Amino acid sequence: AQSVAQPEDQVNVAEGNPLTVKCTYSVSGNPYLFWYVQYPNRGLQFLLKYITGDNLVKGSYGFEAEFNKSQTSFHLKKPSALVSDSALYFCAVRDNNAGNMLTFGGGTRLMVKP
Amino acid sequence: KAGVTQTPRYLIKTRGQQVTLSCSPISGHRSVSWYQQTPGQGLQFLFEYFSETQRNKGNFPGRFSGRQFSNSRSEMNVSTLELGDSALYLCASSLEMVRGEQFFGPGTRLTVL
Repeated sequence: AQSVAQPEDQVNVAEGNPLTVKCTYSVSGNPYLFWYVQYPNRGLQFLLKYITGDNLVKGSYGFEAEFNKSQTSFHLKKPSALVSDSALYFCAVRDNNAGNMLTFGGGTRLMVKP
Repeated sequence: KAGVTQTPRYLIKTRGQQVTLSCSPISGHRSVSWYQQTPGQGLQFLFEYFSETQRNKGNFPGRFSGRQFSNSRSEMNVSTLELGDSALYLCASSLEMVRGEQFFGPGTRLTVL
């Protein structure tokens, strides 16, 4: 069975500093990996995905993620954090044999302080 | 293009009642998935429909059911509501059965009293 771990419940960073939100996964076969963001009282917004190809994936709002197969990680990064980036971030993996079913990590709350 | 819409946005029910939630996917999207989000269990997959057929089902009791119509709109039903069913129910649509990213609606907040 596939699984996703987000080891940090909360990440605090000062505005303008780089940020990293960690994610590790376990899946049989090749992973399809995703990052979503959730703002209060809203659904999930798609940020980026890794299907195949370049290990550095660029997404929306200046976010990027680095796929590392040997470490089974897919960490989300941004060079310079904004206060408006404060939200709940979810990493997810999709098993290629299970249609579009996503398995999510527990989420990481990102707090960017001015 | 309009995004995924879900109705109603908020719902209050009492134990033992049943509820039906509705989801309209992005135009042209044929895959619709449902997820339950709670503080304790996080985001959990309920089921997925593609071209009116249920393709995958998560680990939920039979009280949770769904269907998809020919226009790709989907409904999910929960019968004999329990307090633990209080959650945010999210619908997501995707253009394809595989490979496509899913786009989520704003969710329906269900409160069971």
